[in-house]
Amino acid sequence: GAVVSQHPSWVICKSGTSVKIECRSLDFQATTMFWYRQFPKQSLMLMATSNEGSKATYEQGVEKDKFLINHASLTLSTLTVTSAHPEDSSFYICSAGLGGTSGNTIYFGEGSWLTVV
Amino acid sequence: GNSVTQMEGPVTLSEEAFLTINCTYTATGYPSLFWYVQYPGEGLQLLLKATKADDKGSNKGFEATYRKETTSFHLEKGSVQVSDSAVYFCALRTGNQFYFGTGTSLTVIP
Repeated sequence: GAVVSQHPSWVICKSGTSVKIECRSLDFQATTMFWYRQFPKQSLMLMATSNEGSKATYEQGVEKDKFLINHASLTLSTLTVTSAHPEDSSFYICSAGLGGTSGNTIYFGEGSWLTVV
Repeated sequence: GNSVTQMEGPVTLSEEAFLTINCTYTATGYPSLFWYVQYPGEGLQLLLKATKADDKGSNKGFEATYRKETTSFHLEKGSVQVSDSAVYFCALRTGNQFYFGTGTSLTVIP
């Protein structure tokens, strides 16, 4: 069964509105979670590293004011796409690690398809 | 920097055909290498992995060997099934960060 769960799987929103995507670790605590996005026919690209209790670390070129990440608990990280535009339409996926070392197992969520109309 | 180059798809094969999906990488240090599979409507699932040179990862009839000399990690399966239809991602990992290829869509027809 899934150990990392994302919600919603599919979302359509109007341009200018905000949409929130949740990433939950099931049955384990994750101090760090990761958010990726994938444009059509391109790789999954790391957007940001979500740290429980502190600010997220964003990759170069990712607008932190547009993609708000909140990691308020050890089992939940949220990604909010603010003032969404059609170019934000993409596949967003999160991951979380079981264990605290670099050799731990990483699990991915089911992903969320965002369409902005 | 780190990057993964993966064979472009889509790939369409008949059942019981031989499958190869090429993957090469560029990395600093000594990354671990992975193949992930994404079935329709589902998340990424780990298919197999290799953590050091010459290691062979295998699972469900799929195999891939970590070739440091050619910086490759090609995915192979001797006889594909309809149920193998999915998108396959090659990836490398350094620390907790992954770098993915673009994904290769495989369709197996009866």
